[in-house]
Amino acid sequence: AQRVTQPEKLLSVFKGAPVELKCNYSYSGSPELFWYVQYSRQRLQLLLRHISRESIKGFTADLNKGETSFHLKKPFAQEEDSAMYYCALTRAGGTSYGKLTFGQGTILTVHP
Amino acid sequence: DTGVSQDPRHKITKRGQNVTFRCDPISEHNRLYWYRQTLGQGPEFLTYFQNEAQLEKSRLLSDRFSAERPKGSFSTLEIQRTEQGDSAMYLCASSFLQTGNTIYFGEGSWLTVV
Repeated sequence: AQRVTQPEKLLSVFKGAPVELKCNYSYSGSPELFWYVQYSRQRLQLLLRHISRESIKGFTADLNKGETSFHLKKPFAQEEDSAMYYCALTRAGGTSYGKLTFGQGTILTVHP
Repeated sequence: DTGVSQDPRHKITKRGQNVTFRCDPISEHNRLYWYRQTLGQGPEFLTYFQNEAQLEKSRLLSDRFSAERPKGSFSTLEIQRTEQGDSAMYLCASSFLQTGNTIYFGEGSWLTVV
């Protein structure tokens, strides 16, 4: 069975401080990992995926297969980063690609 | 608007009544997904379609739930004989079948069963 764990339901930082949102997963096959974000009163949207290896809005995430982790990091948090963040995985390739397993989410609050 | 749209956005119904939600995916997308989200939880997969074919259903989808996508475009999710435990946000998402393509979500339909 596949599982995504986000150990922190709430995370508070001050503007300009580094932030790390933790995500651990268990999956027997080859996963593709994502971070989704939901800003207040907006729909769930993709922030980044591990295969792209890109930085979006200053956020990066590296897939660590040894530790089965996909932590989201940003060196200097901004107030507009305040949102709900979900880590999710799907099977890489195959017919069930797109069937996502989500973590419970982390609410990030960035204080001025 | 080229995004995924869902209707209605909010529905309050009495226990035992039937409800139906509609999802219109992004026009060229051939995959359509339904998820359910309860308070404090992440979305949970319910079912998905490739064109008009329903390819997988979660065990969360009891016999009271049925989803269709008759022409491979819009989809409906019907819940019969609603129960209070069905109260949740029902999310629709769509994508184009191709590994690496983004899955886009709608704004969701809130269901409250009283």
